[in-house]
Amino acid sequence: DTGVSQNPRHKITKRGQNVTFRCDPISEHNRLYWYRQTLGQGPEFLTYFQNEAQLEKSRLLSDRFSAERPKGSFSTLEIQRTEQGDSAMYLCASSSSVGINYQETQYFGPGTRLLVL
Amino acid sequence: RKEVEQDPGPFNVPEGATVAFNCTYSNSASQSFFWYRQDCRKEPKLLMSVYSSGNEDGRFTAQLNRASQYISLLIRDSKLSDSATYLCVVNRGNAGGTSYGKLTFGQGTILTVHP
Repeated sequence: DTGVSQNPRHKITKRGQNVTFRCDPISEHNRLYWYRQTLGQGPEFLTYFQNEAQLEKSRLLSDRFSAERPKGSFSTLEIQRTEQGDSAMYLCASSSSVGINYQETQYFGPGTRLLVL
Repeated sequence: RKEVEQDPGPFNVPEGATVAFNCTYSNSASQSFFWYRQDCRKEPKLLMSVYSSGNEDGRFTAQLNRASQYISLLIRDSKLSDSATYLCVVNRGNAGGTSYGKLTFGQGTILTVHP
């Protein structure tokens, strides 16, 4: 399967614990995005990487959240001191930049479903 | 006010019906527009891009009205397999002029097609 993969698919943790999620984008894609989706809502943008550079972070990404893409390939999203409000589906997407192209297609991974007890 | 607003539905229609979804967006600087489909507990998948002149893909027709900041999706001859949540999506691009696909999603419209 050459699509976007995410691990783990599900995570249950206790409040206050740290969690880390991984995203492996489609291999030739240089752009990687993280989104968060809660029940009944559409996904919300969290952060964006072009290669290894993190170029934008949403206000939703508090200081408890950190994302990295150290070699411009896979990415990790870490949440420290989890809170019940962090329970959501965390989606990763990747795309390929082709000059100035707002119509680029983002391919989403299956998501990591986080439940904080 | 949300940046992208959709009627959440749900829409319950019989097979073969025609159904239309509407969406409005608030940022007039928005650059590109899409409809995504999301099945229950799955990831969103691109259904179609939306172009200024309107575009059609089989049973699906998308329209864009930039003046009114309004996007629509029409599904003809509904199939059971069309049952899903339909997400209206807007790309504002970047204020600095570089392009990347930071997507803003609407809440989604739930469609159920029944026999």
